[in-house]
Amino acid sequence: DAGITQSPRHKVTETGTPVTLRCHQTENHRYMYWYRQDPGHGLRLIHYSYGVKDTDKGEVSDGYSVSRSKTEDFLLTLESATSSQTSVYFCAISEPGTTNEKLFFGSGTQLSVL
Amino acid sequence: GQSLEQPSEVTAVEGAIVQINCTYQTSGFYGLSWYQQHDGGAPTFLSYNALDGLEETGRFSSFLSRSDSYGYLLLQELQMKDSASYFCAVRGLGGFKTIFGAGTRLFVKA
Repeated sequence: DAGITQSPRHKVTETGTPVTLRCHQTENHRYMYWYRQDPGHGLRLIHYSYGVKDTDKGEVSDGYSVSRSKTEDFLLTLESATSSQTSVYFCAISEPGTTNEKLFFGSGTQLSVL
Repeated sequence: GQSLEQPSEVTAVEGAIVQINCTYQTSGFYGLSWYQQHDGGAPTFLSYNALDGLEETGRFSSFLSRSDSYGYLLLQELQMKDSASYFCAVRGLGGFKTIFGAGTRLFVKA
């Protein structure tokens, strides 16, 4: 299994507070992704990174920011959490080349915004 | 833009064969992937079709037809443990975004 760790695994927060989720990998993969999963919507891409300090927006990036200062860490920040951001958040990694199409996912973070 | 459509639910009997379809609209993509996700778990990669045709991996096969904008995942000799959600996904040309369909919930009955 790919070495991907997400923290925290569960978090409950209040509307309006900032929240940061962390994804840490030990695979030295170049690409990292943040997805959110909601019933009926599948996995929707929030932001992704194709290298240190290289990031881009996905399908549902409003209200989220990311940072990648090291290859192994990709942080997702909810600047001011809203109830609509209650979701399960998954981090994923991939590597260019033959395995580029294969995403490895972390175990997910269940976030509840009250 | 890109969009993928899958049936929301499929039910089949243990030991049977089931096909989960995925139709897509995209201006271009590298290939079609399939992922499996059990309740409470993370998605895991199942298969990838870069070219048209059938790819077989044990009990699972995946098919792609670019001319028909269509693909499917075929599960044979269904087992109870195959009850899960299945997602198709594509990565568009010139980028690194992998976009997923909404998923198909497969129920396997005894």
